[in-house]
Amino acid sequence: QLQLQESGPGLVRPSETLSLTCTVSGGSISSSSYYWGWIRQPPGKGLEWIGSIYYSGSTYYNPSHKSRVTISVDMSKNQFSLKVTSVTAADTAVYYCARQDYSSSWYYFDDWGQGTLVTVSS
Amino acid sequence: DIQMTQSPSSLSASIGDRVTITCRASQSINMFLNWYQQKPGEAPKLLIYAVSNLQGGVPSRFSGSGSATDFTLTISSLQPEDFATYYCQQTYSTGVYTFGQGTKLEI
Repeated sequence: QLQLQESGPGLVRPSETLSLTCTVSGGSISSSSYYWGWIRQPPGKGLEWIGSIYYSGSTYYNPSHKSRVTISVDMSKNQFSLKVTSVTAADTAVYYCARQDYSSSWYYFDDWGQGTLVTVSS
Repeated sequence: DIQMTQSPSSLSASIGDRVTITCRASQSINMFLNWYQQKPGEAPKLLIYAVSNLQGGVPSRFSGSGSATDFTLTISSLQPEDFATYYCQQTYSTGVYTFGQGTKLEI
């Protein structure tokens, strides 16, 4: 059974860089059938897609965050990562990693990590 | 960007009720519409993809319909475990996937 687990600091200072890693187990991140994505949810609010990556390293990002966001993949560790630079309080959210269907071309997110809360505060 | 608007934002219902949640896209998204269920403190769970395709393990009381800009999620007979927040999502616009604001289903 596929499992995704987010990890990283729960507290980040304003203007610094938020870094999170998603470890995938029970399946290979190098599958040609999937992209791997990051989604966030500010406390008490809705869901926002941040960006997605293919095992080859091909990425696409939400234009709202493109200038501050980098997603990378490490196939040797079966992980993918998120970096958000110059964070502000508005980046405080639960961050989810998720598997994104690619083979059927419907692009839904069918497996999610449990999420990790990142608070931006001094 | 394609905007997704759900209605209602919240809904009170009882066990056994038939419930319908609506999602409207700001432009046609063909069949690229998915539904998720989220319970407090949990990650979202995929219920339905491509308008009407039930994800594996999802009870058959859930169904989806619609096309172009107007879509609905229907729960035919509410069960206690269905009280949650529901989100629609469009994946038509590659690279700019957007979610609806959510519909909170309460007792």
